[in-house]
Amino acid sequence: DTAVSQTPKYLVTQMGNDKSIKCEQNLGHDTMYWYKQDSKKFLKIMFSYNNKELIINETVPNRFSPKSPDKAHLNLHINSLELGDSAVYFCASSQVNPGNTEAFFGQGTRLTVV
Amino acid sequence: AQSVTQPDIHITVSEGASLELRCNYSYGATPYLFWYVQSPGQGLQLLLKYFSGDTLVQGIKGFEAEFKRSQSSFNLRKPSVHWSDAAEYFCAVGPSGSARQLTFGSGTQLTVLP
Repeated sequence: DTAVSQTPKYLVTQMGNDKSIKCEQNLGHDTMYWYKQDSKKFLKIMFSYNNKELIINETVPNRFSPKSPDKAHLNLHINSLELGDSAVYFCASSQVNPGNTEAFFGQGTRLTVV
Repeated sequence: AQSVTQPDIHITVSEGASLELRCNYSYGATPYLFWYVQSPGQGLQLLLKYFSGDTLVQGIKGFEAEFKRSQSSFNLRKPSVHWSDAAEYFCAVGPSGSARQLTFGSGTQLTVLP
């Protein structure tokens, strides 16, 4: 049974479109994350969401917005997509309070903006 | 601020040879350290972690890593590499910051020759 699952795995879309990536975790963790992996494979935190508290990396454009309908889901919405948004986006979860477990990652969503 | 350095961008070894991937970190307190592996087109899988205690930690797939506080290092080792070990390897430190996120190194690409 997959611990962290995200859909879709591949997403190709045109500039200017709005798209969403879904993420679900069945681990009972209290914190979920979105990371971006660029073309050089560098991983950078975008958001974390813990108990209705959203922490945003200040470098993330406001076209990106996470939405959490419940503790097990953290979806990523992207408005007005740009070429530079092309990347692999990873969802992750961990238990932070209490616990500090390792982060479990989804399989990634490869977003290509054309 | 915390940081992770993986000095080797790309390493090539022959199947059956030993492997050591280097990782140096900068962290204000006792770190939690991780090694993740990313196979082509796949997500991030945890190989091993160090939270406290024994500085030599064992992980999955025959990997081990040694935490050396004096050198701020957490190098990954494997005595005999298999062709299936070819992948990208990431060292990470955390969780930290307001987002309780992991900070990743830039990764080391491992190629295994037959």
